[in-house]
Amino acid sequence: RKEVEQDPGPFNVPEGATVAFNCTYSNSASQSFFWYRQDCRKEPKLLMSVYSSGNEDGRFTAQLNRASQYISLLIRDSKLSDSATYLCVVKGLSGTASKLTFGTGTRLQVTL
Amino acid sequence: GAGVSQSPRYKVAKRGQDVALRCDPISGHVSLFWYQQALGQGPEFLTYFQNEAQLDKSGLPSDRFFAERPEGSVSTLKIQRTQQEDSAVYLCASSSETAGYGYTFGSGTRLTVV
Repeated sequence: RKEVEQDPGPFNVPEGATVAFNCTYSNSASQSFFWYRQDCRKEPKLLMSVYSSGNEDGRFTAQLNRASQYISLLIRDSKLSDSATYLCVVKGLSGTASKLTFGTGTRLQVTL
Repeated sequence: GAGVSQSPRYKVAKRGQDVALRCDPISGHVSLFWYQQALGQGPEFLTYFQNEAQLDKSGLPSDRFFAERPEGSVSTLKIQRTQQEDSAVYLCASSSETAGYGYTFGSGTRLTVV
């Protein structure tokens, strides 16, 4: 079983739609949680951090449920420019390192 | 520099050839990570450096893979006797804190083994 699991999609939604992505992680000792965005043939870039109290950044809302080991990302009023792969990312300790563990990514395609 | 620089951007290697991939992190960044991303997958951890010390190499898939960061800045990932399954994008990331928060990724090296 992978440490971080996501539905790979693709999610095809019309412009203006609301779309939600979910992710589960297996290591209960994980410390920090993030969503990264990756455009085709580009490097991953940090979209936002995820907290138990929830985190909102404009049209994007991220939520963490530690008890269920579940992370979500909600995108409201989707734009064409939101089309990308969204990577669920968990940070934990590995010895003295603190490495990021990525999910497979969920592909989003926003259409006219 | 302004960001993490990786070279070459693309590399085509014949099976059995040795390759060396370079990462130039943001100046002063203590932590440096290498990741491997296969097509349609998320990045997979390979190895981690804190300054010149390689603290975690648990993700290196075989002893054909070797990484170094001798002076605590530029890092090189070397793959010996490349195989087709090594074809992937190799991403380097650096961070200013020893805890590795706030990673900046380079654009990656796309390796194709033929």
